[in-house]
Amino acid sequence: GAVVSQHPSWVICKSGTSVKIECRSLDFQATTMFWYRQFPKQSLMLMATSNEGSKATYEQGVEKDKFLINHASLTLSTLTVTSAHPEDSSFYICSARVGNTGRYSNQPQHFGDGTRLSIL
Amino acid sequence: AQTVTQSQPEMSVQEAETVTLSCTYDTSESDYYLFWYKQPPSRQMILVIRQEAYKQQNATENRFSVNFQKAAKSFSLKISDSQLGDAAMYFCAYVNSGGSNYKLTFGKGTLLTVNP
Repeated sequence: GAVVSQHPSWVICKSGTSVKIECRSLDFQATTMFWYRQFPKQSLMLMATSNEGSKATYEQGVEKDKFLINHASLTLSTLTVTSAHPEDSSFYICSARVGNTGRYSNQPQHFGDGTRLSIL
Repeated sequence: AQTVTQSQPEMSVQEAETVTLSCTYDTSESDYYLFWYKQPPSRQMILVIRQEAYKQQNATENRFSVNFQKAAKSFSLKISDSQLGDAAMYFCAYVNSGGSNYKLTFGKGTLLTVNP
C-alpha cells in the first residue's frame, strides 16, 4: 500500500523550543495532507488540512501561530510546534490523500506512524 | 455537520468468539464512504474495512464484516474468531465522497480487549 513516512517517531525537548515534524509520501504524490492530534485513549482530532502550495486550513480552536504547517511539495508537509510547552505534549499523526483515481485511491487518507512529542 | 457515534467505549471478547462493535452516523449526504480503522498499542492507524454507501452488499474482509443499514445510518463491525492480535482501539469513520478534501470524521473509538 501507499507509504507515508513521519519523522521523528518520538521527540523529547525542553519547554520553549520549537519542534518540526515531517510527513512524506514516499511512493505517491499527495494532493492534500492532514495533521491530527491524539490524546491517550481518545480519538483523532483534526488540526488542519493543507494543500500543496497554499496556506493550511485550520480547524476551529487550533492556534495557527502555535502550529505552523508548510506544504511545499506534493510529497512533503511539515508541522512546527513553536515555543512548545508541556501542554503541547501529545501524539501527532499526519495523513496524505492521493486523489479520486489511480493507485491507492481506494483509501481516503494514508496515515503515517505518528510522532510522540514530550515537552519537559 | 456529520457526526459519528460509537456508543461502546470498551468491549471484551474471548479468543475465538465473535464480537460486534456498534457505530451510527448522521449525515444529509447521499454519497459517502464508511470505514473501520484499527489502532493497536503501536498507535499505527490500520484500515480494516471500507463500505461505499451506494453498495447494498455488506463489505467483508476475511474475519471482519460489516452490517451496513443505510436507512438506519448504522455501520457495525463484526469480528469473527477473535484473535489476541485483534486487541486494539477501533474507530468508525465517515467521509463525504463529494467533498473537496475528503476529510474524515471519526467516532470516539471502542477499546477492544481479547481474553485468552
